[in-house]
Amino acid sequence: KNQVEQSPQSLIILEGKNCTLQCNYTVSPFSNLRWYKQDTGRGPVSLTIMTFSENTKSNGRYTATLDADTKQSSLHITASQLSDSASYICVVSERGSTLGRLYFGRGTQLTVWP
Amino acid sequence: ETGVTQTPRHLVMGMTNKKSLKCEQHLGHNAMYWYKQSAKKPLELMFVYSLEERVENNSVPSRFSPECPNSSHLFLHLHTLQPEDSALYLCASSQGTSENEKLFFGSGTQLSVL
Repeated sequence: KNQVEQSPQSLIILEGKNCTLQCNYTVSPFSNLRWYKQDTGRGPVSLTIMTFSENTKSNGRYTATLDADTKQSSLHITASQLSDSASYICVVSERGSTLGRLYFGRGTQLTVWP
Repeated sequence: ETGVTQTPRHLVMGMTNKKSLKCEQHLGHNAMYWYKQSAKKPLELMFVYSLEERVENNSVPSRFSPECPNSSHLFLHLHTLQPEDSALYLCASSQGTSENEKLFFGSGTQLSVL
């Protein structure tokens, strides 16, 4: 069964600290993996998208890694800011499918305290 | 702004009411989606329209009725809803529906059914 699991479910860190969020998936065959940021009461916004051949991709202070062999991804946030407080959602696409076949994780709720 | 606008942002309705959610995209995309996001659950795909034709319908109850009059507009008509239908309803759009396309989400309509 195709699934996406994220950990931790929630995380609290102090402003300026780094953190790493995890995503494990069983989706096969794999096409790409996306990380989204969702502020409270807003829609998700794309941070990164990685295909099978990419194992790291950065977007400012956000760096995503992908290990397609172990089916794991991580999102590393450097020098956190209060505005990083949000839910971070991992999404995996199945190869040969359409965007109607995306598999969503439940998200990690990150809170950054001053 | 993501280029996808949803109205209203908040909606409270009784179980016997009829209401409609509206979505408009200004990105020139040709595919549009409705998602349901309940607390602590992954996003659930409800409907996909590509070139104004419904191409995906994930066994959604008939009390939800989509309408796509053109490639820029999408509606979700609601009638005789249940309290468990309370959720954030997200609209999204993409240029095509292939697995590598990027999804752009609106800010959502927070629906409460009393």
